[in-house]
Amino acid sequence: EDQVTQSPEALRLQEGESSSLNCSYTVSGLRGLFWYRQDPGKGPEFLFTLYSAGEEKEKERLKATLTKKESFLHITAPKPEDSATYLCASNTDKLIFGTGTRLQVFP
Amino acid sequence: ETGVTQSPTHLIKTRGQQVTLRCSSQSGHNTVSWYQQALGQGPQFIFQYYREEENGRGNFPPRFSGLQFPNYSSELNVNALELDDSALYLCASSLAQGEGDYGYTFGSGTRLTVV
Repeated sequence: EDQVTQSPEALRLQEGESSSLNCSYTVSGLRGLFWYRQDPGKGPEFLFTLYSAGEEKEKERLKATLTKKESFLHITAPKPEDSATYLCASNTDKLIFGTGTRLQVFP
Repeated sequence: ETGVTQSPTHLIKTRGQQVTLRCSSQSGHNTVSWYQQALGQGPQFIFQYYREEENGRGNFPPRFSGLQFPNYSSELNVNALELDDSALYLCASSLAQGEGDYGYTFGSGTRLTVV
């Protein structure tokens, strides 16, 4: 059965304290691995799509990487406005989401 | 370029009632999918419509049904509401199978509360 697992469930960081979020996936027929940001009560906001092992993409303080079994979202020198839930999802012909990592960044 | 619009934003229904949620797709997208997100969980796939035909369904009972219209907008209907149906319902539009670098574009969701 296709499955996506994220860790940790929650992460508290001091402003400027870099860290990484993990997404492990077991799917057949992967058409891409997505990262989304979700603020409370809102829909997921697109961050990145990764297609093949070794691929990396960056946007401001965020960098996403992909291996054959995992993806990482690296957050460098986070700011309080980066606080949100970060979701990863595998795309076959539909999205299979993990449960997300709730990130809180304190000043 | 318009995004995905969902209505209503919030809704309260009584157990046993029926509800219809609506979604307008992003311009240029021909596929709509619906997701249910319970509090503290990731979104769960309900079903997907491509060119007015259902072409994928998750593990949801038949009382969850949908429609896609010629302009690619969509409806999600839920009959015989149960308390566990309380959730954020998300609509996402895309090209077929989420192709393209931006994949699926989500609306802000409809918060359904069943009492």
